[in-house]
Amino acid sequence: GEDVEQSLFLSVREGDSSVINCTYTDSSSTYLYWYKQEPGAGLQLLTYIFSNMDMKQDQRLTVLLNKKDKHLSLRIADTQTGDSAIYFCAERNNDMRFGAGTRLTVKP
Amino acid sequence: EAGVAQSPRYKIIEKRQSVAFWCNPISGHATLYWYQQILGQGPKLLIQFQNNGVVDDSQLPKDRFSAERLKGVDSTLKIQPAKLEDSAVYLCASVSGVNTEAFFGQGTRLTVV
Repeated sequence: GEDVEQSLFLSVREGDSSVINCTYTDSSSTYLYWYKQEPGAGLQLLTYIFSNMDMKQDQRLTVLLNKKDKHLSLRIADTQTGDSAIYFCAERNNDMRFGAGTRLTVKP
Repeated sequence: EAGVAQSPRYKIIEKRQSVAFWCNPISGHATLYWYQQILGQGPKLLIQFQNNGVVDDSQLPKDRFSAERLKGVDSTLKIQPAKLEDSAVYLCASVSGVNTEAFFGQGTRLTVV
């Protein structure tokens, strides 16, 4: 099965909060990442969190990590149409593995 | 700081032909990854180098794919012969020994017809 799993689609209204969820299987992962990919573009690192942290906040982004359940989430506050993209969760211990991506659609 | 450079940006070849991709990581970055991203999917790790040694190539289809990292700096990924299902974006990323961020290149979009 997949090492990193994400739901495939999320649709929200502009101004609402978005929450994108991810589960992973490698308990020895030391870093967990969120990347954003817009159509035809490369991978843009949004934020990352060390495995010994529970939460990290960076402007509109909040990352929550539940290491016991191997669950990672990304919350985007005040979601804008420019946030529409595919969001990838990735975990890294030695190698680095990605989920299939969550397509976020923001409706005006 | 210069980013990860990849070339070419686009490549179209016929099936059974050969193709090579090139990656120049950020200077001083010891770890280099090659990923394959098929349309609609997440990046799949093909191979990981630490300096010029292979750390993990368990998902590299070795009957047709090969990769090397010259002197622990630049890297090339080759496909010979190509199949239709190899159509994808090939991404290169590098990580320093200290920084936790993996820097990605823009990728090479391969179309096999």
